[in-house]
Amino acid sequence: QSALTQPPSASGSPGQSVAISCTGTGSDVGAYNYVSWYQQHPGKAPKLMIYEVTKRPSGVPDRFSGSKSGNTASLTVSGLQAEDEADYYCSSNAGGHTYVFGTGTKVTVL
Amino acid sequence: EVQLVESGGGLVQPGGSLRLSCVASGFTFGISWMGWVRQAPGKGLEWVANINGDESQTTYVDSLKGRFTVSRDNAKNSLYLQMNSLRADDTAVYYCARWGVNAGLDFWGQGTLVTVSS
Repeated sequence: QSALTQPPSASGSPGQSVAISCTGTGSDVGAYNYVSWYQQHPGKAPKLMIYEVTKRPSGVPDRFSGSKSGNTASLTVSGLQAEDEADYYCSSNAGGHTYVFGTGTKVTVL
Repeated sequence: EVQLVESGGGLVQPGGSLRLSCVASGFTFGISWMGWVRQAPGKGLEWVANINGDESQTTYVDSLKGRFTVSRDNAKNSLYLQMNSLRADDTAVYYCARWGVNAGLDFWGQGTLVTVSS
């Protein structure tokens, strides 16, 4: 149950796109289509942004999209807005109703 | 409106115990998988434990097995986390959250801070 690997930081100007990678193993990300992404603003609880690799919960803007290839999942934020500045965490099922989170990525809107 | 409200956090000495509670409302608690996630100060999220609706299945992060126990009381719409033999590195904000049918944590509480220190 090692944490999934994410880049510590990512940035972009308003209107640009930013992509965040989430690298696991064949026992978690590569094995299941149960990758989720969470957004967390300072001092707040996390918010579900993407589930089952590509799906968005109701109310999440379509600027947020997810994908997966092999053991690496990705979150792309298109048309960056100031309110997108936050920490982002991926999560994956790791078998038998166990889960693992990523190390987290701080997104800065320049 | 779905609400999850944690309580029970506070300052505890190393080696001590603490029981966290989470009261749920706004959804059918008794059929929902629930989980605990923690976040050490300035650090990332760590999944702690899950429990299914009828308490027949519980899962834990390997590093906490044997010290932490998750349970629930569906009659009280409540989720619990019993934490024993606490250590300084257990200091964190502990969140309870609901697992949606989509295998994502779709609702979270506001968190309760546990500080382990002498």
